[in-house]
Amino acid sequence: DIQMTQSPSSLSASVGDRVTITCRASQGISNYLVWFQQKPGKAPKSLISAASSLQSGVPSRFSGSGSGTDFTLTISSLQPEDFATYYCQQYNRYPWTFGQGTKVEIK
Amino acid sequence: QVQLQESGPGLVEPSETLSLTCTVSGGSISTYYWSWIRQSPGKGLEYIGYIFYSGSTNYNPSLKSRVTISVDTSKNQFSLKLTSVTAADTAVYYCAREEYNGIVDYWGQGTLVTVSS
Repeated sequence: DIQMTQSPSSLSASVGDRVTITCRASQGISNYLVWFQQKPGKAPKSLISAASSLQSGVPSRFSGSGSGTDFTLTISSLQPEDFATYYCQQYNRYPWTFGQGTKVEIK
Repeated sequence: QVQLQESGPGLVEPSETLSLTCTVSGGSISTYYWSWIRQSPGKGLEYIGYIFYSGSTNYNPSLKSRVTISVDTSKNQFSLKLTSVTAADTAVYYCAREEYNGIVDYWGQGTLVTVSS
């Protein structure tokens, strides 16, 4: 299986901060990467697919980049509703695998 | 708007079979792939497998010997069976829709299944 490693596992930030989360795949996955946001008690919600394509309805402060093994999710100006846990997931090779998550907390 | 809803027992005894059903509304199950994904504190998010409406399946090798996913197109439902469960199978189970390119775009709300006697 392809292992997905996210860093950091958690971070504290203030409203308005720029936040960057990284995801590394154990082997090349081209751009077959999705970023999800999950809030407590809710199902994950996809934000970005194909590493950098914003899903419909997702605010433009979210952006993704990367290809191959290294990927980044950036929130340009953190908003109160963005405090959540973020996951990356590869869909290059079955079984699809997920990162362990990055919890974004209020500073 | 496609909606998915999981249903089934919230408590299963060790060594028994976990059975869940996902009902799809707002769209036909006779398109796309339909998946099961689970989430536990210990293992995080884990992909279980998918089924196509034709009945073709693909399972995570780590669970393949214990998993069966089936589909009932007449009811717009698909189901998960996981045999010989242990406490390690305790998790929130999600059903989801998967696009042809592999992207999971719709999720159910999730249902907690606890394995305990």
